[in-house]
Amino acid sequence: DGGITQSPKYLFRKEGQNVTLSCEQNLNHDAMYWYRQDPGQGLRLIYYSQIVNDFQKGDIAEGYSVSREKKESFPLTVTSAQKNPTAFYLCASSRTSLVGSYNEQFFGPGTRLTVL
Amino acid sequence: ELKVEQNPLFLSMQEGKNYTIYCNYSTTSDRLYWYRQDPGKSLESLFVLLSNGAVKQEGRLMASLDTKARLSTLHITAAVHDLSATYFCAVVNNNAGNMLTFGGGTRLMVKP
Repeated sequence: DGGITQSPKYLFRKEGQNVTLSCEQNLNHDAMYWYRQDPGQGLRLIYYSQIVNDFQKGDIAEGYSVSREKKESFPLTVTSAQKNPTAFYLCASSRTSLVGSYNEQFFGPGTRLTVL
Repeated sequence: ELKVEQNPLFLSMQEGKNYTIYCNYSTTSDRLYWYRQDPGKSLESLFVLLSNGAVKQEGRLMASLDTKARLSTLHITAAVHDLSATYFCAVVNNNAGNMLTFGGGTRLMVKP
């Protein structure tokens, strides 16, 4: 059963803590993405990775960090430098992100992060 | 910078009525996606539009793309309550590593 899994579904963080959100895919996709969604808003790109051991900043990377040590996994760390981290976080993957290619993105179920 | 605007942001309609959601974008793109999101859930892919004049239909939803006008529409025919959700368009940014830029979403409520 191929797909994208994210964990945990709900996460609560105290101010000043770093937390890591998990994203795993078994679709054999090369590219993976992290988005943030605030209430009533669209999605904004945090980071993306086109290939293992490589990743690029998106539009709102400040206060976040990622790693891509395995093709299947793209964890996102929300650091204490992120001043307003409460949001819904969505991970996505696509076969590739190369220009000119057909790169439909498939989304995971999301993690809702709340800062206490 | 690619900007994507949807309107309306909120739409309340009666069952059985027709309506259209609009998605305008600011720079050239060759691909546009429509997604559906139910409250608290992830995004579900509805349509991928790949060329000027493309039209795709699935049930009561029909999407079209006019790349010259930089406009896509999502038309709802004879709405039913099950269509209540938030709909997003997303445009491929050809000048930014092929990333998607999302519109702000249209929250649709269909009243019985």
